[in-house]
Amino acid sequence: DIVMTQSPDSLAVSLGERATINCKSSQSVLSSSDSKNYLAWYQQKPGQPPKLLIHWASTRESGVPDRFGGSGSGTDFTLTISSLQAEDVAVYYCQQYYTTLSFGGGTKVEIK
Amino acid sequence: QVQLQESGPGLVKPSQTLSLTCTVSGDSISSGAYYWSWIRQPAGKGLEWIGRVLGSGSTNYHPSLKSRATMSIDTSKNQFSLKLSSVTAADAAVYYCARGTAYGNYVRWFDPWGQGTLVTVSS
Repeated sequence: DIVMTQSPDSLAVSLGERATINCKSSQSVLSSSDSKNYLAWYQQKPGQPPKLLIHWASTRESGVPDRFGGSGSGTDFTLTISSLQAEDVAVYYCQQYYTTLSFGGGTKVEIK
Repeated sequence: QVQLQESGPGLVKPSQTLSLTCTVSGDSISSGAYYWSWIRQPAGKGLEWIGRVLGSGSTNYHPSLKSRATMSIDTSKNQFSLKLSSVTAADAAVYYCARGTAYGNYVRWFDPWGQGTLVTVSS
């Protein structure tokens, strides 16, 4: 099974500042057949289910603000919130779908 | 828009079977376009994919739960269900149903999700 490790566990960022969340997979999720990274990002606000933000590591879902960006390849990925807004307070999860689906442990983003 | 809603007992006794149903509105689960899934989240912990069912009734489960999980589909009611047998305290969690996007005959990512239902395991 692929183990997804997120860092940090939590971070506090000032409004308008950049938040960076890391996700590392125990083996590559880059497919050689289609050159795609099999990775998604979700946002979970308190008391709500997860919401899909990004798939294929960097493809934003329709309606997701462009301050959310995904990057990385192979085993190392990053979710960046370029200018943190109050409504971005949440726990963020990465998920690989290269093999048996698995999620990272989550990163809690708070306002400093 | 597509909405999913979980239902079922919130309390299950140890060793018994957990049974949950997900009712889908705004999409037909028999269309075959999506893979209908269950995902759970123990309190304060991360997410665990349980399995998926297609409109045809075909299923696939996480290897760690394969021996205890059974998913089924009722196209007449636009519902799909999860049964998890021989539950223990470790199965206590918020259980979510979700619509999964398929690529290459495998479920990949999930959108949208139901609100979730809390299942407690206690005698």
